[in-house]
Amino acid sequence: GAVVSQHPSRVICKSGTSVKIECRSLDFQATTMFWYRQFPKKSLMLMATSNEGSKATYEQGVEKDKFLINHASLTLSTLTVTSAHPEDSSFYICSARTEGRYYEQYFGPGTRLTVT
Amino acid sequence: EDQVTQSPEALRLQEGESSSLNCSYTVSGLRGLFWYRQDPGKGPEFLFTLYSAGEEKEKERLKATLTKKESFLHITAPKPEDSATYLCAVQAANNAGNMLTFGGGTRLMVKP
Repeated sequence: GAVVSQHPSRVICKSGTSVKIECRSLDFQATTMFWYRQFPKKSLMLMATSNEGSKATYEQGVEKDKFLINHASLTLSTLTVTSAHPEDSSFYICSARTEGRYYEQYFGPGTRLTVT
Repeated sequence: EDQVTQSPEALRLQEGESSSLNCSYTVSGLRGLFWYRQDPGKGPEFLFTLYSAGEEKEKERLKATLTKKESFLHITAPKPEDSATYLCAVQAANNAGNMLTFGGGTRLMVKP
C-alpha cells in the first residue's frame, strides 16, 4: 500500500513553454501533498505544501506565479512550471501524507525536467 | 528552528561489514522521525517512522533506533544492493503544515 505515482518521469521542454507534472496517490486519499525540488547530490528542498480544495502554501523564495500548484482532488496534485527557463531544470518529487494520528509521507518516483 | 544533521556524509563498507548511520536532531517536540532510502534518479523510499525515544524498528538488514537527541540506522551484514543514499527527516509536534525537515543524507556504498 501507500503508492504515489508521478507523470511524466522525464520531460524536455523549450525555454518559455509551460510543463505540467502530475502526482497521484494510488491507494489512499491524501488531503495534503508536498512538492520538492532536488539538486544533484543534495537533499530535498520543500517548495510548497498542497492542500486539497485550498491554495497551496509556498516556502520562502519559491515563486508562486512560476510554480502553479493545484490539488483538485484527494488523489491528485499538479505542479505547473510556467514560462520555464534552463535554471528550472531539476528533479521534482512529490509526496503524499497518509491520514490519521500516526501518519507517514510517501514519495513519488520523481520527474526529471530539462529546459532547453 | 528544527535541524537535522546526518553523519557520515559518505560511508564505504565491504559486503558483510556491519555499521551504523547517525541522525542527530533538534526539534521543538518530536512528532515523528522518518528514514528513507533513495536510489539515484528515484524518489525516496519509505523505510521507518519512529515516534518516541526507545522505539526500535527492523526491516531485513536494517534496524532503526531513537533517542531524545538522535537516531541510528544500523545495517547488519550489508550487501551491494544496500548501496543508496539514506535520508533522515523529522517532523515537529507544533508543525501545523506537517512538513518534514531533512538531513543532508548519508551516501552508502557497499562493495562486494
